[in-house]
Amino acid sequence: AQTVTQSQPEMSVQEAETVTLSCTYDTSESNYYLFWYKQPPSRQMILVIRQEAYKQQNATENRFSVNFQKAAKSFSLKISDSQLGDTAMYFCAFIYQGGSEKLVFGKGTKLTVNP
Amino acid sequence: GAGVSQSPSNKVTEKGKDVELRCDPISGHTALYWYRQSLGQGLEFLIYFQGNSAPDKSGLPSDRFSAERTGGSVSTLTIQRTQQEDSAVYLCASSLMGVAYNEQFFGPGTRLTVL
Repeated sequence: AQTVTQSQPEMSVQEAETVTLSCTYDTSESNYYLFWYKQPPSRQMILVIRQEAYKQQNATENRFSVNFQKAAKSFSLKISDSQLGDTAMYFCAFIYQGGSEKLVFGKGTKLTVNP
Repeated sequence: GAGVSQSPSNKVTEKGKDVELRCDPISGHTALYWYRQSLGQGLEFLIYFQGNSAPDKSGLPSDRFSAERTGGSVSTLTIQRTQQEDSAVYLCASSLMGVAYNEQFFGPGTRLTVL
């Protein structure tokens, strides 16, 4: 069974600085997708970024980028120029390509951006 | 509406009572998911509907939990004889197809409290 581990329950960063959230996963599959979701206090889950395992190039979305290390089964999220609106829970998630539609989530990292 | 909606936003019930949680997916989305988010935990997959196919119920924690999707649109998650451990936020999501190929859009969730 696939598992996703986020080893940092809480993190904080100063506004305008850079922060990296860690995620590791365990799978025997070779084709899969990885995601980072943001959940602000409003509870609305929002997709931040996705990565296809077959792509070597790291995904980027504006201030958000990932460091995908397939061999190490690591998928970290880097947030540059942190903004107060980035304060939220961040969840890493995995899904096996071509299998069931179950997203497997980590337990999340609570990120606080301080002014 | 433009997004996934869920009702009620909050539900407080007494142990042993039945509850129904409603989800209205984005129009045209054929895939619908239910997740449970317990305090301090990530999201736990409950059930997945795709078009007219039989739902994937493998995540339902007990036979007290059931869900249906009428007309390929609105879905209702029913919890019978509620227990205190059922207290959680129940999130619904929809996507145009399976999540591995299309973004999953989440509703704001229903916070269930069982006294």
